[in-house]
Amino acid sequence: GAVVSQHPSWVICKSGTSVKIECRSLDFQATTMFWYRQFPKQSLMLMATSNEGSKATYEQGVEKDKFLINHASLTLSTLTVTSAHPEDSSFYICSAGRLAGGLSDTQYFGPGTRLTVL
Amino acid sequence: TQLLEQSPQFLSIQEGENLTVYCNSSSVFSSLQWYRQEPGEGPVLLVTVVTGGEVKKLKRLTFQFGDARKDSSLHITAAQPGDTGLYLCAGDFILTGGGNKLTFGTGTQLKVEL
Repeated sequence: GAVVSQHPSWVICKSGTSVKIECRSLDFQATTMFWYRQFPKQSLMLMATSNEGSKATYEQGVEKDKFLINHASLTLSTLTVTSAHPEDSSFYICSAGRLAGGLSDTQYFGPGTRLTVL
Repeated sequence: TQLLEQSPQFLSIQEGENLTVYCNSSSVFSSLQWYRQEPGEGPVLLVTVVTGGEVKKLKRLTFQFGDARKDSSLHITAAQPGDTGLYLCAGDFILTGGGNKLTFGTGTQLKVEL
């Protein structure tokens, strides 16, 4: 159990367009979903944390108007990269958190989405 | 901002050799996790350590959590080509307002050659 999917797995778009990435928890309800960005040969950087039905909390330096997060249900969160530019090209990874009986969620990671902006 | 430094950053070894990867921070974690990531895929959880001084073994992998819960190490015995990948530590922090978040380490790229 605890499978997280992302769609699409890769996307190529033109500069100035918007791209939506979906993250779904397939067999559990996620209390919280997280969005990370990973540049080549670098680690994962947390972009934002979202809870179902409330506004996302963005990490310092992440533009909330550029990276729109919608967490409409306990199994689906979406990340929209608005007016994408080549510097937004990256590997975007989501994770879904499920309470593990304590204070903190156990995070289950999706397979990632490769975004290339031309 | 909590920072986790991993060392070494890159490691290329021959099959059968042993290696240790270190994860260090000045912050105290509620728990620490180790992941392995293959190119183009999401990270896969290897282990979670919670108690200071805890040691966990997963086949040829041995994970240790520092007594003060600020650092951790991953030791691989008799490395195999299948161990090749990006190894990431991640510190789990409980947030003041509830919930938690992971802060990932800088990563160690391991290549094991025949």
